[in-house]
Amino acid sequence: QSALTQPPSASGSPGQSVTISCTGTSGDVGGYNYVSWYQHHPGKAPKLIIYEVTQRPSGVPDRFSGSKSGNTASLTVSGLQAEDDADYYCASWAATSYFFGTGTKVTVL
Amino acid sequence: QVQLQESGPGLVKPSETLSLTCVVSGYSISSGYYWSWMRQPPGEGLEWIATINHRGTTYYNPSLKSRVSISVDTSNNQFSVKLNFVTAADTGMYYCARYRAPGFYFDYWGQGTLVTVSS
Repeated sequence: QSALTQPPSASGSPGQSVTISCTGTSGDVGGYNYVSWYQHHPGKAPKLIIYEVTQRPSGVPDRFSGSKSGNTASLTVSGLQAEDDADYYCASWAATSYFFGTGTKVTVL
Repeated sequence: QVQLQESGPGLVKPSETLSLTCVVSGYSISSGYYWSWMRQPPGEGLEWIATINHRGTTYYNPSLKSRVSISVDTSNNQFSVKLNFVTAADTGMYYCARYRAPGFYFDYWGQGTLVTVSS
């Protein structure tokens, strides 16, 4: 098992939506409903935005939503705002280890 | 508000031991939950290193297990990680975080500390 696969980049204009995929295997993403997503502005602490595939922590806007189908999880950011310009990482528990995604740089045009 | 702050030497020589500490404020480690270390090499993604709970039960990334140890100091509300026999491949940002299980996610993170392995 290795890092989960994410597209290196995604972009959208303010107000648009962007969806990021996170592909793993049946041993991680597909096998457990324990996918989480993190937003990271360089130089700052990463921030949890989705846990257990679809759950949003308190204070995270409902513009952020998560889903999963088979071995692929997805994060959708609706109504893009300037502050959403950041790196996004998925992560999944895998029984004996924990894997992060390769990361996606979201650019708000 | 839970806050975590990493500290440690910014420069470590090859073959030596990297030691980092994470001080937790706003929450008492002895109250529960799990505590973890991650790292991010330059230009690469995040990698989980190790996790420990308040009782000292440890969990390690199998790929690093032979070189890593994690410990907790509840009296000073901090936890630490040691990585032995470092090489240039161990260069990167190191982050500490609180880990929630079940659920298996990191809900609070530190800002990270940069470690460079070089002679």
